[in-house]
Amino acid sequence: DAGVTQSPTHLIKTRGQQVTLRCSPKSGHDTVSWYQQALGQGPQFIFQYYEEEERQRGNFPDRFSGHQFPNYSSELNVNALLLGDSALYLCASSPTRTSAGHGVYTDTQYFGPGTRLTVL
Amino acid sequence: EDQVTQSPEALRLQEGESSSLNCSYTVSGLRGLFWYRQDPGKGPEFLFTLYSAGEEKEKERLKATLTKKESFLHITAPKPEDSATYLCAHRGRDDKIIFGKGTRLHILP
Repeated sequence: DAGVTQSPTHLIKTRGQQVTLRCSPKSGHDTVSWYQQALGQGPQFIFQYYEEEERQRGNFPDRFSGHQFPNYSSELNVNALLLGDSALYLCASSPTRTSAGHGVYTDTQYFGPGTRLTVL
Repeated sequence: EDQVTQSPEALRLQEGESSSLNCSYTVSGLRGLFWYRQDPGKGPEFLFTLYSAGEEKEKERLKATLTKKESFLHITAPKPEDSATYLCAHRGRDDKIIFGKGTRLHILP
């Protein structure tokens, strides 16, 4: 099992440009979540995709958008890059479960190695 | 508002010196309390999930415990390779996962 994979590993862009990051989930996982982690901070939730739709979203502007494909892989797109978008972008995958008590919920998330984005 | 607060921010221990990391949380309807280990520049590595107060889980030198307001990560006789940032996170009724800022642990040989 390859685990969660992300590409590219590193990326350098300039202000105003657009970027696309990619993620392949762990085998058997159908849900993908994206996080932004600034230096010295914990990961901040951007959004989550399930069944090719955005299921939940954190407090990030519309410049951040995503997509999930039928094979469960996902892309994160960021438009009009700002210096403050420089961070480690993490993808996490998880299986979605259903229980009588909790309804539909995501189980434990497993993270990829991240993409380091630098905006100059 | 759902929150996760970790303490201390940083901790330096001698090899073999046991200690505990704290994670205080507020959440509407806890659906999981998570601990991850993160090495510099890498993605978080899953350690434990706890679901209810009183639950405990162990893995090698690490033991995680959970109360209604806090979780502790106990590290027994740590080694230099245990040096990392340890992240705590919870999932609430809205199924969103919120992370703390982490505790940077440094074990001196």
